[in-house]
Amino acid sequence: EIVLTQSPATLSLSPGERATLSCRASQSVSSNLAWYQQKPGQAPRLLIYDASYRAAGIPGRFSGSGSGTDFTLTISSLEPEDFAVYYCQQRSNWLYSFGQGTKLEIK
Amino acid sequence: QVQLVQSGAEVKKPGASVKVSCKASGYTFTNYFMHWVRQAPGQGLEWMGIINPTGGSTSFAQEFQGRLSMTRDTSTRTVYMELFSLRSEDTAVYYCARGLGGTEYYFDFWGQGTLVTVSS
Repeated sequence: EIVLTQSPATLSLSPGERATLSCRASQSVSSNLAWYQQKPGQAPRLLIYDASYRAAGIPGRFSGSGSGTDFTLTISSLEPEDFAVYYCQQRSNWLYSFGQGTKLEIK
Repeated sequence: QVQLVQSGAEVKKPGASVKVSCKASGYTFTNYFMHWVRQAPGQGLEWMGIINPTGGSTSFAQEFQGRLSMTRDTSTRTVYMELFSLRSEDTAVYYCARGLGGTEYYFDFWGQGTLVTVSS
């Protein structure tokens, strides 16, 4: 089973700042990695898939990078609506797993 | 537009089973895999399993083997998730989520979630 470890657990930033979130896999997942945003009381929303492709309707300030075991989600300039919990997710051999999440909070 | 509408909240006793439905609209039902993901209160996301609506084949996470079933009804465009032998740790919001077009790797549309509470 592939374990995804996200860091940091909590990130405190101000609107307009740049956010960098990390996801590390216990073994290579190639580029089979996605990022989701979840706000309280809502279902998750797909942001990035295949490590670096933005999903439909996702603003350009969101970008993803990485391959193998190390991945990054970058939000170039935080908007008030970006403060939420972010999860990475991988798929390998018809099994799927999520990281434990990074909470992005307003400083 | 794509919509996944789930059945309402459930309260169950330990040892019982629960069946949650997810009705799809706005796309060709048999062209997209469907996943189930759950989230315990205040916790992260946990993948449970996947169903291919075309043939009904399934694959489940190891921790649910033997007490999870997924079925589909193509005539009503509905998938079902049934969890047996419920315990308090199964209290969670259960989501259906569609596999991203052309692949089952990621989840592009989600249902609104169904809260299942297991309590004596």
